[in-house]
Amino acid sequence: GAGVSQSPSNKVTEKGKDVELRCDPISGHTALYWYRQSLGQGLEFLIYFQGNSAPDKSGLPSDRFSAERTGGSVSTLTIQRTQQEDSAVYLCASSFDRGPQETQYFGPGTRLLVL
Amino acid sequence: AQSVSQHNHHVILSEAASLELGCNYSYGGTVNLFWYVQYPGQHLQLLLKYFSGDPLVKGIKGFEAEFIKSKFSFNLRKPSVQWSDTAEYFCAVGGSGNTGKLIFGQGTTLQVKP
Repeated sequence: GAGVSQSPSNKVTEKGKDVELRCDPISGHTALYWYRQSLGQGLEFLIYFQGNSAPDKSGLPSDRFSAERTGGSVSTLTIQRTQQEDSAVYLCASSFDRGPQETQYFGPGTRLLVL
Repeated sequence: AQSVSQHNHHVILSEAASLELGCNYSYGGTVNLFWYVQYPGQHLQLLLKYFSGDPLVKGIKGFEAEFIKSKFSFNLRKPSVQWSDTAEYFCAVGGSGNTGKLIFGQGTTLQVKP
């Protein structure tokens, strides 16, 4: 079916506000990843889900960042009390199974701008 | 910790020129290596990947990459580029274990002049 989708595609917010970013993975994909692409930083891993659990949260930059996944499908990344350094493109990817050899399919990303 | 280094940040070539983009990784264990490409206005997509076996890997659109273990390198090559190859190219490494977490290089922007 369809590929990975993300919403919103763009989000402008004021410093200190909370934002929620959504990811719809490819149907049937059990693994889901969040990455962040910042200017000058490249692509950074944030968090990995297998089903609804997150065995690897090592990339979350601070406790202002959290994510959940429900029903083994949709995932939401929440950033509380946004800061200007949170401005980036947030990418979601999914793969059929976990493991380092699985191909990850990426969504179009959410471009976040914190003023 | 794993890391990936892409030496060329911005490459400009004329059509039909040969391409080689460098990628070096730092990881002591078994590695799984990837090249992803992002065409203008499109999603990141897989170009090719290496897990084991023949160190010369062929991908889509005429791209290939060679894994040289002794040099910790996985350089991307194409004998003759086209204008449509204009894109950003990312090298990534995934380690062993149960997670498919990828560590990406900084990316290389390739501009092909017609």
